[in-house]
Amino acid sequence: QVQLQESGPGLVKPSETLSLTCTVSGGSITTGSHYWYWIRQPAGKGLEWIGRLYTGGTTDYNPSLKSRVTISGDTSKSQFTLILSSVTAADTAVYYCARASKEVTRYFLDFWGLGTLVTVFS
Amino acid sequence: QSVLTQPPSVSAAPGQKVTISCSGSSSNIGNNYVSWYQQLPTTAPKLLIYDDNKRPSGIPDRFSGSKSGTSATLDITGLQTGDEADYYCGTWDTRLGEVFGGGTKLTVL
Repeated sequence: QVQLQESGPGLVKPSETLSLTCTVSGGSITTGSHYWYWIRQPAGKGLEWIGRLYTGGTTDYNPSLKSRVTISGDTSKSQFTLILSSVTAADTAVYYCARASKEVTRYFLDFWGLGTLVTVFS
Repeated sequence: QSVLTQPPSVSAAPGQKVTISCSGSSSNIGNNYVSWYQQLPTTAPKLLIYDDNKRPSGIPDRFSGSKSGTSATLDITGLQTGDEADYYCGTWDTRLGEVFGGGTKLTVL
């Protein structure tokens, strides 16, 4: 059973850079045909896709966040990382990492981390 | 404003059936499979339906999904109080990437 766990600072100051890590256990980020996702959810609001990392190393980003986002993987530790620069209060949210798998052609998010709250606060 | 449109809330009595709609366009639902996620209070989302109408192992057949054109539907029959949650549809958009509905809050009266 795959498990994902987010980690990182709970408080970040405006204009600084947020860095979160997702540790994957029970599986590897380099095997299989999977995408590894970052998704966030502001309090009381819906889900927003941030970006994803493919097993082979390619990435896709939300166009609205693309200029500030980098997602990368550390295969030796089975971790992948989210870096979000120049944060503002609008980036305050619960951040989830998740795995996407496919059965036919379309990927779906089959395993999620518990989420970690990040507050942008001066 | 979410790319996929869901009703903000639905409600029904225990044992009844409820339907949650998800409306999109040809750039998302019209050309991609839809997934549905259940988010119980204070927990992470959980996969409920994938590829429009398939259930992962462990999801009861009270939950079913369907799609027609640019709209998808989640049906829940035999409602239980434990079904009270937020429900999200999701799919891939050719321009925007992964997109979700705004979420529907289900209340079991």
